[in-house]
Amino acid sequence: ELKVEQNPLFLSMQEGKNYTIYCNYSTTSDRLYWYRQDPGKSLESLFVLLSNGAVKQEGRLMASLDTKARLSTLHITAAVHDLSATYFCAVDDSGAGSYQLTFGKGTKLSVIP
Amino acid sequence: EAGVAQSPRYKIIEKRQSVAFWCNPISGHATLYWYQQILGQGPKLLIQFQNNGVVDDSQLPKDRFSAERLKGVDSTLKIQPAKLEDSAVYLCASSLNFHGYTFGSGTRLTVV
Repeated sequence: ELKVEQNPLFLSMQEGKNYTIYCNYSTTSDRLYWYRQDPGKSLESLFVLLSNGAVKQEGRLMASLDTKARLSTLHITAAVHDLSATYFCAVDDSGAGSYQLTFGKGTKLSVIP
Repeated sequence: EAGVAQSPRYKIIEKRQSVAFWCNPISGHATLYWYQQILGQGPKLLIQFQNNGVVDDSQLPKDRFSAERLKGVDSTLKIQPAKLEDSAVYLCASSLNFHGYTFGSGTRLTVV
């Protein structure tokens, strides 16, 4: 059974600071997704990482994937209040031949002015 | 491109009552998923359809939950009878080619 672990689960940081959220997963997969969820809202796709060594950046967020270490990171640069949300990583589990996402528990990020 | 449509947005029912949720995926998306997201947790897959066939329903509590996808388009998820622990957001998602998943706005169910 695929397990996806995120840490930290809660993150409070000041505006302007940098921080990294980690996502570890338990089986081989070369597809990983990062989503953002605002309170009461659905999931907004941030990044799709499709191969080992993939790095994608959008604004103050940068995501990377190391399939050998089974690790993805979401790096936040110079945080701003608008980034406050819950961030989920999800791994595409194609082990059974049917693609489906297994999610981590999420990291609730609060950026303090 | 229209997104994944879900209804209703909110539903409050008493325990032991029944409830149904509806999902209309993005046109042409063959794969449809229902996820359950309990407050403070990540979404958990309940059932996956490919066209109108079930691919995976291993995590669906079949004694009370049922789902169908007639004609390979719209889908309904039903709970009968509901329990307090079924309170959650039910998310529908669809995928064209397994390289991206689009989620609907969800249905927030409260069982009292």
